[in-house]
Amino acid sequence: EAQVTQNPRYLITVTGKKLTVTCSQNMNHEYMSWYRQDPGLGLRQIYYSMNVEVTDKGDVPEGYKVSRKEKRNFPLILESPSPNQTSLYFCASSLWPAKNIQYFGAGTRLSVL
Amino acid sequence: SQQGEEDPQALSIQEGENATMNCSYKTSINNLQWYRQNSGRGLVHLILIRSNEREKHSGRLRVTLDTSKKSSSLLITASRAADTASYFCATCGQLEYGNKLVFGAGTILRVKS
Repeated sequence: EAQVTQNPRYLITVTGKKLTVTCSQNMNHEYMSWYRQDPGLGLRQIYYSMNVEVTDKGDVPEGYKVSRKEKRNFPLILESPSPNQTSLYFCASSLWPAKNIQYFGAGTRLSVL
Repeated sequence: SQQGEEDPQALSIQEGENATMNCSYKTSINNLQWYRQNSGRGLVHLILIRSNEREKHSGRLRVTLDTSKKSSSLLITASRAADTASYFCATCGQLEYGNKLVFGAGTILRVKS
């Protein structure tokens, strides 16, 4: 089954404790992206990747890192989480370019205390 | 910003009625897409309309696009309780087609049975 898998689905952590949210897709998509969703703000892009070893900032990259060492994986790293990063996070993938249909993971709900 | 803006923010209708949601955007687009999100879950693609198309249908969904007014509408006919969800439009700019979709804040649709 074609899917985008995120883990974990729920995460509660404390300020400053490094964490990684994993994302994996099995559709051989070149393009992958991370979004955060906050009430009233819709989805805002954090980082995107057009292919292996090619990543770039989205609209709200501060406080986040990503890597794309393999085509199928695109982890999101929070080196020192802060409470303003409490949010619902989504990973998505598509054929490149991004104008194609995006396939979303089920989401990761993160709370930073 | 190119961000789409949906109108209304929330809509409550009875089962069997039609639901219309509108989306406005600011710059020239390559395409416009509509997505549905059930509460707290990942987004699911509904329909994509290209900038040279004016209307598109998919089952009970009808999407129109007016590039002169920079607006789109999503019509759901004969609504069902299962249509209760948030609906987002997303635009892919002419100049940014390789990089991202820009999502609006969404319309919350509630269908009462």
